[in-house]
Amino acid sequence: QQQVKQSPQSLIVQKGGISIINCAYENTAFDYFPWYQQFPGKGPALLIAIRPDVSEKKEGRFTISFNKSAKQFSLHIMDSQPGDSATYFCAASPNAGNMLTFGGGTRLMVKP
Amino acid sequence: KAGVTQTPRYLIKTRGQQVTLSCSPISGHRSVSWYQQTPGQGLQFLFEYFSETQRNKGNFPGRFSGRQFSNSRSEMNVSTLELGDSALYLCASSSQGPGSEQYFGPGTRLTVT
Repeated sequence: QQQVKQSPQSLIVQKGGISIINCAYENTAFDYFPWYQQFPGKGPALLIAIRPDVSEKKEGRFTISFNKSAKQFSLHIMDSQPGDSATYFCAASPNAGNMLTFGGGTRLMVKP
Repeated sequence: KAGVTQTPRYLIKTRGQQVTLSCSPISGHRSVSWYQQTPGQGLQFLFEYFSETQRNKGNFPGRFSGRQFSNSRSEMNVSTLELGDSALYLCASSSQGPGSEQYFGPGTRLTVT
């Protein structure tokens, strides 16, 4: 079964701290790995994405680390802010189409 | 550019009825995908349309169907509604071929009573 396992389910971080969310996959056909942020009552918003040809990608306070051999990838949010409090989803998609398989989500709370 | 729009935003239906949801992708985007989001099952892929053709389909019963029009707008239909179909239905559009960035709309909240 094509699965993406995400951990932790919930995370509490102090303002200014680093939030780290991890994902693991099994399907080697996956070659596109985006992260989405979702606020209550809204659709998921694309944050940052990576492909397997690079091991790290950084955009502002958000960094994806990718380990192809371990089939794992993670999202780091530096200098976490209360406005970052949301649910984060990792996802993966094969090259054959735009069919995202999502992780279970991580509810992040950043305390002021 | 305007984002992905979905109509209606909220819908209440009764078991056994059918429902049609609509999605207008970002201008210029030719791929439209549909997802179901529930607290229990999370985000699950329903199907993808590209240039009016269904390119991929998820593991959902035949009661779930969709189509795409020549202007890339898409509709999904659920027939013989069940209580378990209550969910947030999300549409995502992308500009290129496979493996391109997908942008989600706000979703349609369907409640089946």
